[in-house]
Order: sequence, then C-alpha cells, then structure tokens
Amino acid sequence: NAGVTQTPKFRVLKTGQSMTLLCAQDMNHEYMYWYRQDPGMGLRLIHYSVGEGTTAKGEVPDGYNVSRLKKQNFLLGLESAAPSQTSVYFCASSYSLASGRRKFFGPGTRLTVL
Amino acid sequence: AQSVSQHNHHVILSEAASLELGCNYSYGGTVNLFWYVQYPGQHLQLLLKYFSGDPLVKGIKGFEAEFIKSKFSFNLRKPSVQWSDTAEYFCAVNAGNTPLVFGKGTRLSVIA
Repeated sequence: NAGVTQTPKFRVLKTGQSMTLLCAQDMNHEYMYWYRQDPGMGLRLIHYSVGEGTTAKGEVPDGYNVSRLKKQNFLLGLESAAPSQTSVYFCASSYSLASGRRKFFGPGTRLTVL
Repeated sequence: AQSVSQHNHHVILSEAASLELGCNYSYGGTVNLFWYVQYPGQHLQLLLKYFSGDPLVKGIKGFEAEFIKSKFSFNLRKPSVQWSDTAEYFCAVNAGNTPLVFGKGTRLSVIA
C-alpha cells in the first residue's frame, strides 16, 4: 500500500493563479481531510469529506474548494491564489471520525504564492 | 467546539534531560486524545493515542502521556530525550464524530 500520497510536493504560484492539489489514498478510507500548517498556528482543518461525493467546511475554508468525485481522491483547489495561502498543505485519511481511529497523513505539499 | 492549547511554543533540552510537553483541551464530554510528531522534513506520524481505559498511555520511542480528566490535560512525557527527538509535537483531540482539532504545536530542540 502506498498509503496517502500528495502531488505535487512543491509549487510556486503567482498571485491570482489557480491550481489543484491532489490527494490519493489506497486504504479504502471513507474520510479524507485537508489541513494547512503554518508556523505558530499548528494544523488547521480546511475542508473534509465523509464519503464519496460529500464535502464539509473545516476551520479555515475561505479561498479553497474541494471535490471528492472518487473515494480514493480528494482534490483541493485554489481558484485565485493569494500570498496568505503560502503554507504547507497536508492531506489525511481515516476509516471514520470516531474514537480511536487514527489518521494517516500524506507527506505534504509546500506552496508558495508570490 | 473543542479547542487545544499547547502552552510551550519552543522547548530546548539537553540530551538525557526529561521532557514534559503540556496539552490542555476544552470540551466537557468524552474525548479522544492524540499526540503526533513531525520530524524535520517529514510528515506527521502518530506517537500515541487515548480513547478509553488506562489513562497512562505508552507510545512509540519511549514516549508516554497521561490523561487527567479533572485537569483536561494530556501531557506528553519522556524520561530521557535524545538528539533524534528534535521535532515538532502536536496534541490533537476529537469527540464523537468530529474531525481532529490540533494544537499549535511545540517545537522541541535537543542539544548535545
């Protein structure tokens, strides 16, 4: 099993450009998440999905959109990138949100918006 | 909504010193508690978790954490740190069917 993979690993955008981050998992997990990690802020949940075709807002959803067309993939889109979106983005997946269920994290995507 | 506080932003220790990282959460009901570690240049890994039973939880690499319900705390401890423990440590909590909420993280630097 590859676990959770993210592409790309690094990206530099100009303000106003758009891009999509791809997260894929091969563990048949129902739940997938996108977090951003910023110095001194810890991990903050952007959006999450509780199953194919469903998405929900997390703590910091503004400026991002997500889609879960297939169970194994969870896409994070930036329609018009802003410097405030410079961050490291982590995808995660889990069997459920419930007690004791650990999350598996991807390796991260480092995004810089100029 | 749950929230997690990690009071130490950066901790610097010498090798062989003992470690305790504080984590407090705010939620009145039953919670599940986690500690994750992120080594430099790597992604998050689970250190240990608590969801019921013995409040003293042992994890990988000699780490342990104690859940004290009355204090809403889940502090991480290690009796003797090594240089390889240099990393960022995140406490996280969830309750029932809610996503994990993370603390802001504590950076640990271990010096020889």
